[in-house]
Amino acid sequence: ETGVTQTPRHLVMGMTNKKSLKCEQHLGHNAMYWYKQSAKKPLELMFVYNFKEQTENNSVPSRFSPECPNSSHLFLHLHTLQPEDSALYLCASSHPSSGRPPDTQYFGPGTRLTVL
Amino acid sequence: QKEVEQDPGPLSVPEGAIVSLNCTYSNSAFQYFMWYRQYSRKGPELLMYTYSSGNKEDGRFTAQVDKSSKYISLFIRDSQPSDSATYLCAMSAASGGSNYKLTFGKGTLLTVNP
Repeated sequence: ETGVTQTPRHLVMGMTNKKSLKCEQHLGHNAMYWYKQSAKKPLELMFVYNFKEQTENNSVPSRFSPECPNSSHLFLHLHTLQPEDSALYLCASSHPSSGRPPDTQYFGPGTRLTVL
Repeated sequence: QKEVEQDPGPLSVPEGAIVSLNCTYSNSAFQYFMWYRQYSRKGPELLMYTYSSGNKEDGRFTAQVDKSSKYISLFIRDSQPSDSATYLCAMSAASGGSNYKLTFGKGTLLTVNP
């Protein structure tokens, strides 16, 4: 497998369920990201991990819980979600640098989440 | 005022047409301007990026930035059905340690009809 993979591709869950989204990157990158993409809205950055350490939490509700066990894997644990959390959840990775231009982020195909 | 404004379309053009996609922004700190392409059921992929003002050309694609007007454009010449996708503009101030922070537009859905 190459690039950034995400599983599952589709997920339907009830508001009381607990589920997890998985992301794996095969690019040797050290930074990983979770984004939320809702219809008619811009991509929203949720979390950023650099070298397994969380460096950004963009005021995300606690019902979303990220986990980064190593630089290649990223999880998003979901519990007690609301119907408005239904969206496409995208994972991305990059090779972080302090230089410019901004790091190119490589996206996975996303998990389409529906909360009933 | 939203930081980045992008008309979501949809935009439908015949094959061979010249397509113009645009974004406006309000944050004068933005220095890097990117265009991502997102095919249906796929994640976004970087198409082009431009630093500061000016033009950049890559094959049939030209990116333009006018910082004085806070306006960026992506032109697609000789459009093909394979160009049908959602095009997202993204911008970054890339200052300090936050060079990963991208601010996206909503995306414009483009359909090129054969």
